[in-house]
Amino acid sequence: EDQVTQSPEALRLQEGESSSLNCSYTVSGLRGLFWYRQDPGKGPEFLFTLYSAGEEKEKERLKATLTKKESFLHITAPKPEDSATYLCAAADNYGQNFVFGPGTRLSVLP
Amino acid sequence: DADVTQTPRNRITKTGKRIMLECSQTKGHDRMYWYRQDPGLGLRLIYYSFDVKDINKGEISDGYSVSRQAQAKFSLSLESAIPNQTALYFCATSAGTIRADTQYFGPGTRLTVL
Repeated sequence: EDQVTQSPEALRLQEGESSSLNCSYTVSGLRGLFWYRQDPGKGPEFLFTLYSAGEEKEKERLKATLTKKESFLHITAPKPEDSATYLCAAADNYGQNFVFGPGTRLSVLP
Repeated sequence: DADVTQTPRNRITKTGKRIMLECSQTKGHDRMYWYRQDPGLGLRLIYYSFDVKDINKGEISDGYSVSRQAQAKFSLSLESAIPNQTALYFCATSAGTIRADTQYFGPGTRLTVL
């Protein structure tokens, strides 16, 4: 059965304190790994898609990487506005069926 | 203007009532999805539609039905609402590409069933 897990469940950082969020997946023939940001009471906002092991993508203070079994979202020198829940999702062989992880709730304190 | 809109944004109803949640999109995408989100469980797929004539059940379709009225409109109905259907509901759309297909989400509907 396809499954996506994320760790930690919650993370508190001081402003400027870099860290990484983990997404582990077991999906039949991964077609894509997606990262989303979700603010309270809002819909998930698309951040990145990674298609193959070794791929990396960056956006401002965020960098996503992918291996054959997991993905990391690295946050460099975070700011309070980076506080949100970060979701990852894996698309299977058919490319359309998304399996979402439960998310990591990130709090960045000033 | 938002590309994916959902109405209503909040709804409180009673057990046994029929409820319809609506989704509209201006992205021109063929594919539309309905998810529910519960704390600690992540997003779970209820139904999806790849075009107007195509409707498919997702992981948790029991107790729900959908209607794809047009390319841009996809409605979710709860025929007889029950308290454990209290959740956040999200509509999403995607373009349909050869590679894995990015989904774009609406703002959500918070549904409470008393």
